[in-house]
Amino acid sequence: QKEVEQNSGPLSVPEGAIASLNCTYSDRVSQSFFWYRQYSGKSPELIMSIYSNGDKEDGRFTAQLNKASQYVSLLIRDSQPSDSATYLCAVKDFNKFYFGSGTKLNVKP
Amino acid sequence: DAGVIQSPRHEVTEMGQEVTLRCKPISGHDYLFWYRQTMMRGLELLIYFNNNVPIDDSGMPEDRFSAKMPNASFSTLKIQPSEPRDSAVYFCASSPGQGGGYTFGSGTRLTVV
Repeated sequence: QKEVEQNSGPLSVPEGAIASLNCTYSDRVSQSFFWYRQYSGKSPELIMSIYSNGDKEDGRFTAQLNKASQYVSLLIRDSQPSDSATYLCAVKDFNKFYFGSGTKLNVKP
Repeated sequence: DAGVIQSPRHEVTEMGQEVTLRCKPISGHDYLFWYRQTMMRGLELLIYFNNNVPIDDSGMPEDRFSAKMPNASFSTLKIQPSEPRDSAVYFCASSPGQGGGYTFGSGTRLTVV
């Protein structure tokens, strides 16, 4: 069983700041990593995927992967109140996703 | 595309009753997954199918749970008999296969009283 660890939060940041969300995983073999956003009462939605070491940017979102340290992070620049949600880290093993418990982000106006 | 469609959105049932949850995956997606989400345990994979065939059901909690996928556009998750500890949000998700992420349905909130 793969372990995916996230700080449950809540992480509170002021509007316009950078939010940094972190995730560690137990299996060195894992190759695919994903970030999902889940608003309260809604289903998870995919926001980023990353497969190679380094950074991947998509708009205000940047995913960072360090396979040697078994660490993946998500940076949200210019945070908005609408970014307030739970962010789930997921590690893919073949066709199965293993999810962390999620970090709740609060962006305060 | 309408996305992954689940029904019902909410289900309240009495302990001991049979519950059937339904899912229609995105057309062309070869993989279908059933997840359960609770505050205590987060998202747990129950079972997944590839081309309508169950591949891994190791997450199914016990024999009271069963899942079927009679064709590429329909799957069911059945709980019989239901128990209060089955109360959770059940998500169905589909994926086109190698690479890429899942698309989740809206979920079914199950309450067993």
